Amino acid sequence: DGGITQSPKYLFRKEGQNVTLSCEQNLNHDAMYWYRQDPGQGLRLIYYSQIVNDFQKGDIAEGYSVSREKKESFPLTVTSAQKNPTAFYLCASSSRQDTQYFGPGTRLTVL
Amino acid sequence: AQSVTQPDIHITVSEGASLELRCNYSYGATPYLFWYVQSPGQGLQLLLKYFSGDTLVQGIKGFEAEFKRSQSSFNLRKPSVHWSDAAEYFCAVAGPGGGNKLTFGTGTQLKVEL
Repeated sequence: DGGITQSPKYLFRKEGQNVTLSCEQNLNHDAMYWYRQDPGQGLRLIYYSQIVNDFQKGDIAEGYSVSREKKESFPLTVTSAQKNPTAFYLCASSSRQDTQYFGPGTRLTVL
Repeated sequence: AQSVTQPDIHITVSEGASLELRCNYSYGATPYLFWYVQSPGQGLQLLLKYFSGDTLVQGIKGFEAEFKRSQSSFNLRKPSVHWSDAAEYFCAVAGPGGGNKLTFGTGTQLKVEL
């Protein structure tokens, strides 16, 4: 059953902690993306990767980091430098030059 | 820079009525255009897309959209809304080459009255 999985579904972070959100796809897509969603603001691009071992900053990369060591995986770390991390995080993937497909999302809350 | 405007934040329609959600984009060349739908707490599901060719695009769940270059619009329509269509709808634009730089509108929340 092909698709994109994100874990955990809910994540709670204490101030000053780093947390890592998982994103895995078995669609054999080359490109993967991370978006942040806040109420009334649509989706904003954090980072994207077009190929293994390469990634680029999106519009709101400050306070986040990523890695792309495997084609199937694109984890996102929310660092303590991100001052307002409470949001819904969505991962997506696509074949080159094609439509993006989304995972179910992770809701991160800062305690 | 590309941008997308969805002028209606909330729309309420009666079940069985027709629906049109507006989307205007700003892009210097022929864009790639998308409509996605999101149920509460869920990811986004692709409804339809326009890359080229016929300007009237058919999608899933009975939705269609029309690309009008002269108006920079890509409005989403459905002739008869079902209660299960209640969700948030997002229009998005990308430059040629597809989804590497996908820019989203702020979304339209659809409520369906029974």
